[in-house]
Amino acid sequence: DAGVTQSPTHLIKTRGQHVTLRCSPISGHKSVSWYQQVLGQGPQFIFQYYEKEERGRGNFPDRFSARQFPNYSSELNVNALLLGDSALYLCASSSTGGNQPQHFGDGTRLSIL
Amino acid sequence: RKEVEQDPGPFNVPEGATVAFNCTYSNSASQSFFWYRQDCRKEPKLLMSVYSSGNEDGRFTAQLNRASQYISLLIRDSKLSDSATYLCVANPQYNFNKFYFGSGTKLNVKP
Repeated sequence: DAGVTQSPTHLIKTRGQHVTLRCSPISGHKSVSWYQQVLGQGPQFIFQYYEKEERGRGNFPDRFSARQFPNYSSELNVNALLLGDSALYLCASSSTGGNQPQHFGDGTRLSIL
Repeated sequence: RKEVEQDPGPFNVPEGATVAFNCTYSNSASQSFFWYRQDCRKEPKLLMSVYSSGNEDGRFTAQLNRASQYISLLIRDSKLSDSATYLCVANPQYNFNKFYFGSGTKLNVKP
């Protein structure tokens, strides 16, 4: 079975642009979470979606938004990109989004010039 | 104060050694705990869940101490392939996956 898949793998943008990152969860998983990981730090929680509804939001500005589609795939959108948005963006899925462990995709490495 | 704190290391140990990492969490309401391993420039991979009664998976043993709010990971008979960063995770909510990650502890196993 396929794991969590993310696209694109790498992305280079300039300040002020916007970006859309995509994620497909493990088949049968209904919960998707997004994390940002900068070098030397652990992943930081951005959003969780379950059954197409936002269940949680981390301490990120409104420039960050996300949604989940009927097939449980998800998009993360970031507007007005800043240099500090350069990071590895990780998507994770779990079956119900409660206490179960999450399984991560390979991530999208975003570089802002 | 960070939700989850770990010693960044690095821990440099010879093959065959036993090594232990601790991790403290600040939210006493935290419901579930996990250890993930992350190789350089790769995604975190689930190593094991941490149960109240402690659990063991081969050479790996995880313990939870709710009174002192820490979890531990013990690796016995270290292998070169165990070299990685180990991330401690606490989930303070029962009903959704808002994982708080520590910054990770780096382990280098040397021949």
